[in-house]
Amino acid sequence: NAGVTQTPKFQVLKTGQSMTLQCAQDMNHNSMYWYRQDPGMGLRLIYYSASEGTTDKGEVPNGYNVSRLNKREFSLRLESAAPSQTSVYFCATRGDFGPGTRLTVT
Amino acid sequence: GIQVEQSPPDLILQEGANSTLRCNFSDSVNNLQWFHQNPWGQLINLFYIPSGTKQNGRLSATTVATERYSLLYISSSQTTDSGVYFCAVAVNYQLIWGAGTKLIIKP
Repeated sequence: NAGVTQTPKFQVLKTGQSMTLQCAQDMNHNSMYWYRQDPGMGLRLIYYSASEGTTDKGEVPNGYNVSRLNKREFSLRLESAAPSQTSVYFCATRGDFGPGTRLTVT
Repeated sequence: GIQVEQSPPDLILQEGANSTLRCNFSDSVNNLQWFHQNPWGQLINLFYIPSGTKQNGRLSATTVATERYSLLYISSSQTTDSGVYFCAVAVNYQLIWGAGTKLIIKP
């Protein structure tokens, strides 16, 4: 089992560009989550999906959108990237985390 | 909202030492988890522990839900134990995270 996979692992964007972070899980879990982690800090919840077809805002949703494509996949989209969105992004399902995407916005 | 506080924020120990990390939370929770984030950024779930005591090798955890705290014990520390230890409490579908304890084990 691959667990939770994320792509890409690294990304550099210019201010105003858009991109989608992809996440997939093969553990058949209903709930999936997107977090961001800024240097020296804990994780903050961006959005979560309690089950297929539902999404809800977390602590820091502004500037992001999500899609729960099916039970396996949960994507995070930045429509117009800003330097404040420079962070490491983790996808998770229950207590299992993907390897993270390190995003830099210049 | 619920507050999660971890102490100490930093801990430096020699290899072989024991340590206790604490997590306090301000309200009733559905569950509590401990995570280890290694120096490469990988997050590993150590324990689901809403109450009681669990052990896994050199690590054990105790949660006293009525007093709203949890403790993570690391015995006979190894350099591979270095990293940041987070506790997170589950409220409905969300995990609320503490700021972490940064542990450095010196050889």
